[in-house]
Amino acid sequence: AQSVTQLGSHVSVSEGALVLLRCNYSSSVPPYLFWYVQYPNQGLQLLLKYTTGATLVKGINGFEAEFKKSETSFHLTKPSAHMSDAAEYFCAVSDPPQTGANNLFFGTGTRLTVIP
Amino acid sequence: KAGVTQTPRYLIKTRGQQVTLSCSPISGHRSVSWYQQTPGQGLQFLFEYFSETQRNKGNFPGRFSGRQFSNSRSEMNVSTLELGDSALYLCASSQDTYTGELFFGEGSRLTVL
Repeated sequence: AQSVTQLGSHVSVSEGALVLLRCNYSSSVPPYLFWYVQYPNQGLQLLLKYTTGATLVKGINGFEAEFKKSETSFHLTKPSAHMSDAAEYFCAVSDPPQTGANNLFFGTGTRLTVIP
Repeated sequence: KAGVTQTPRYLIKTRGQQVTLSCSPISGHRSVSWYQQTPGQGLQFLFEYFSETQRNKGNFPGRFSGRQFSNSRSEMNVSTLELGDSALYLCASSQDTYTGELFFGEGSRLTVL
């Protein structure tokens, strides 16, 4: 079964500082991995995804994540935090299409606070 | 292009009642998925419909059901509401579910009293 663990339900950073949100996954097959962001009173928006190929993936708003198979990790980073980055971030995993599954398993989320 | 539209946005029901939530996907998207979001359990997959057929189902009791119409619009129904059903119900559409790229609506927030 697929599962995701997000370390730290709350992360606070100063404006301009590095953002690092941690995600570890468990999967019996090569996974597809995702980061979604949720702003208050809104739905989720895809930030970036890893399916196959290059392990460093770049997403919207300056975010990127690196797939590390040996560490079963997919941590999200951004070099310099902006006030507008304050939101809740969800890591998710799905089975690859060959398995026939098509739903996402989400982590419990990390709420990012940016301090001016 | 219009996004995923969910109605109603907010609703209050009492225990034992039933509720129907509606979702209109992005034009051209044939897959619609539903998720329940609560502070305690996080985001949990309810079910997914594709071309009017339920393709996948999460681990929820039979009180939770859904359907999809020929225009890809979807509804979900919860019968005999319980206090624990209070949640944000999110609908997501996708043109190709196997990429995992889901486009979410803003959700329907259900409060059960």
